[in-house]
Amino acid sequence: AQSVAQPEDQVNVAEGNPLTVKCTYSVSGNPYLFWYVQYPNRGLQFLLKYITGDNLVKGSYGFEAEFNKSQTSFHLKKPSALVSDSALYFCAVRDINTGGFKTIFGAGTRLFVKA
Amino acid sequence: NAGVTQTPKFRVLKTGQSMTLLCAQDMNHEYMYWYRQDPGMGLRLIHYSVGEGTTAKGEVPDGYNVSRLKKQNFLLGLESAAPSQTSVYFCASSSGTGNTGELFFGEGSRLTVL
Repeated sequence: AQSVAQPEDQVNVAEGNPLTVKCTYSVSGNPYLFWYVQYPNRGLQFLLKYITGDNLVKGSYGFEAEFNKSQTSFHLKKPSALVSDSALYFCAVRDINTGGFKTIFGAGTRLFVKA
Repeated sequence: NAGVTQTPKFRVLKTGQSMTLLCAQDMNHEYMYWYRQDPGMGLRLIHYSVGEGTTAKGEVPDGYNVSRLKKQNFLLGLESAAPSQTSVYFCASSSGTGNTGELFFGEGSRLTVL
């Protein structure tokens, strides 16, 4: 079965410092990977995705993610964190075993950026 | 451009009562989904639809029914609500571009079952 894991419930970082939110995946075949962000009392918003090509994917709000096939990881990164980046972040994988219709989400990582 | 709209945003039910959550999207998307979000569990798929008139079960379908009579609408029904169905429900849609399309989410519907 396809799955994603986010090993950290919470990540704390000081404003201006780089941040990393970790994600590992387990899929059969080529992975289609996504990151979403959820601000308080809001729906999830798409940040970026990896389908194929360059291992470094750039997305919204200055975020990027690095796909590493050998480590089966897709970590979310940002060079300089902002207080406004504080939110809940979800890694997700498209379940291609069921025709790609379903997206499987990790449990989420809460990011706190301190001023 | 409204995107994905869910109604109602909040609802309190008593055990055994029924209700319907409505999701509407104006992006002409083929695929629509209903998820529930519970603390520490991420999002779990309840039901989904790959086109008008079609529905399919997700991970946690028990106690829920859905209908997709029009392409732009996806209804989630609870026939006899239970406290275990207290949750935040999210509707999402995506375009019919195979496996690569991202999801667009509504703002959520918070349901409390007493």
